[in-house]
Parts: sequence; structure tokens; C-alpha cells
Amino acid sequence: GESVGLHLPTLSVQEGDNSIINCAYSNSASDYFIWYKQESGKGPQFIIDIRSNMDKRQGQRVTVLLNKTVKHLSLQIAATQPGDSAVYFCAEWKSSGYSTLTFGKGTMLLVSP
Amino acid sequence: DTGVSQNPRHKITKRGQNVTFRCDPISEHNRLYWYRQTLGQGPEFLTYFQNEAQLEKSRLLSDRFSAERPKGSFSTLEIQRTEQGDSAMYLCASSLGAGGKTDTQYFGPGTRLTVL
Repeated sequence: GESVGLHLPTLSVQEGDNSIINCAYSNSASDYFIWYKQESGKGPQFIIDIRSNMDKRQGQRVTVLLNKTVKHLSLQIAATQPGDSAVYFCAEWKSSGYSTLTFGKGTMLLVSP
Repeated sequence: DTGVSQNPRHKITKRGQNVTFRCDPISEHNRLYWYRQTLGQGPEFLTYFQNEAQLEKSRLLSDRFSAERPKGSFSTLEIQRTEQGDSAMYLCASSLGAGGKTDTQYFGPGTRLTVL
């Protein structure tokens, strides 16, 4: 069936490194993709989004890349900090039908000093 | 803090009891969503409201689950006759409600339910 999934369950990096978290999706009808960060004991926190008609979008220290040809989404975090340690989810949304998100399983990012 | 609040933050109950959770969305947001999240998984959509109207409830896990948003502001999620499999984090989110356009959802901290 259609799904949003992640390649790696855990990513360990050193402080100051750049991090790349990947996500594969299978629903080509999705209009909009979002990255959320979830720290332990908290709800998901919006990081950045990208519309399906875009290839790249940049925020503060974060960049999202969308490759529709291979249905791949990535989140790049520059100069990773210990406070970036969390689980990261990609989610997809499509404008037809009811307005909601489909989440993938998540990748845990561990940043060591 | 996103501005979405949920109460209680933690709930421990015995199997067979009823529980009710409350969500207060960001004040100007028209849409309110409920999700369930189990350990290691992403949030799973349950239901959503546009103002006081419940527009989608087919994803509620069973007829033991019900949700209300009587005045289009806060919402409650009730689980009747709880089972151990209901143990999870219950998340609420709200959004402005922008029709067919992208509509960012902001999540509350969640209510963690443990059914003994």
C-alpha cells in the first residue's frame, strides 16, 4: 500500500557535523511534505515543509530536498548540535480527501559532543 | 510550546475503565486533529474537526473511541472500556484551516495513557 517510510532508524553524528536524514515515499499524489522533530516526552514540532512543485527549501540550519523522480525526501541539518538529538519524522499530505498527515516511522538522531 | 495544550499529561487506569482527554487548540485555529502514537512509530491519524463539525472519523480505532468539539474550541477524546492495547500517547494538533491549501499542524505535548 501507499506509505511514507524512512531508510535508517538511528543516525549518530558528532557535534558540528552535518546530518542528513532520508525518507522514501510511495504516494506520488502527495502535494506537500513536512519534517517534524520530536523530543522525548513531547509532541512533534514542525521544522520545515516543501510543496511537491519544489525541489529544495532552506530554513535556519535546515534544508529539505525533494526528488520526485525517485520519490525521496531528505532533511539536512547543518552544524548539528546536541539539542538536535530527537526523533525526526517525515509526513506527507495531499489536498484531495480529508486534510491530514501520514507519518513515517521516524529516525532517531543522536548527537554526541 | 506550540500553544496547543493537553490534559492530563499522564493517565494510568485499570482495564475496563473509561478515560477522557482534553485538548485546547491555538485560539484562532479552526481545525483540530487527534492522533495516536505508539512507541517507535509515527503518529496515526484518528479524527479531525473543522470548527464543531467532525469531518472524518472512520479512522477511530473502534466504537469505544469517540471525540467531541461542542463549541468549536476545545475537544475531548473518550475511550470507553479501556484495554491494555489502548496504552499509547494521544496527540492533539490544530491548524488554521486553509481549505485545499497547505495547512501546518501544530501539536500539543500529548497525553500518555497506561492501561493496567
